[in-house]
Amino acid sequence: DAGVIQSPRHEVTEMGQEVTLRCKPISGHNSLFWYRQTMMRGLELLIYFNNNVPIDDSGMPEDRFSAKMPNASFSTLKIQPSEPRDSAVYFCASSLRGRLMSYTFGSGTRLTVV
Amino acid sequence: RKEVEQDPGPFNVPEGATVAFNCTYSNSASQSFFWYRQDCRKEPKLLMSVYSSGNEDGRFTAQLNRASQYISLLIRDSKLSDSATYLCVVDYNNNDMRFGAGTRLTVKP
Repeated sequence: DAGVIQSPRHEVTEMGQEVTLRCKPISGHNSLFWYRQTMMRGLELLIYFNNNVPIDDSGMPEDRFSAKMPNASFSTLKIQPSEPRDSAVYFCASSLRGRLMSYTFGSGTRLTVV
Repeated sequence: RKEVEQDPGPFNVPEGATVAFNCTYSNSASQSFFWYRQDCRKEPKLLMSVYSSGNEDGRFTAQLNRASQYISLLIRDSKLSDSATYLCVVDYNNNDMRFGAGTRLTVKP
């Protein structure tokens, strides 16, 4: 299995631009999670989906952030407009719902907003 | 109060030393507990689960104290390759997981 695939690996963008991060979960996994990691705040859960439906988005920092999961094999996290404080590593993870041992992270997207 | 709290360290220890990390969690309904390892510029990866009776995996021992809502990880005979950040992880509603900020360990020759 290829694991959880995220793209791009690195993104550098100017403040005010739209940024789209992509994630392909492990085939057969029915839960998908978006996390953000910074030195100051650690690993924070932003939003998660079960069977493509958003369940808890209470971690999304503000309206500039949005996430979608149009089908079982693809999810996006969009930031519009981006700000320098959004600079972080964004991880996507997937699992079989209720089977926490299956939790697997992608390699992450390192976002820098200048 | 944060959902999962850890001492951030850093812990700097010589090879062969024994080192212990602690973690507390706030959700008394949590049922599953884990330790993850994260290497620099890499994603977190599962190190081991933590069971109520305590469990061991080679040089690594995990303990859980439900009454105190406390988890620990002990590393014996530490190796240079153990240098990493160790994340305490607790389930939330048996579906998603909440991560501690991590404890950084450096093992020196």
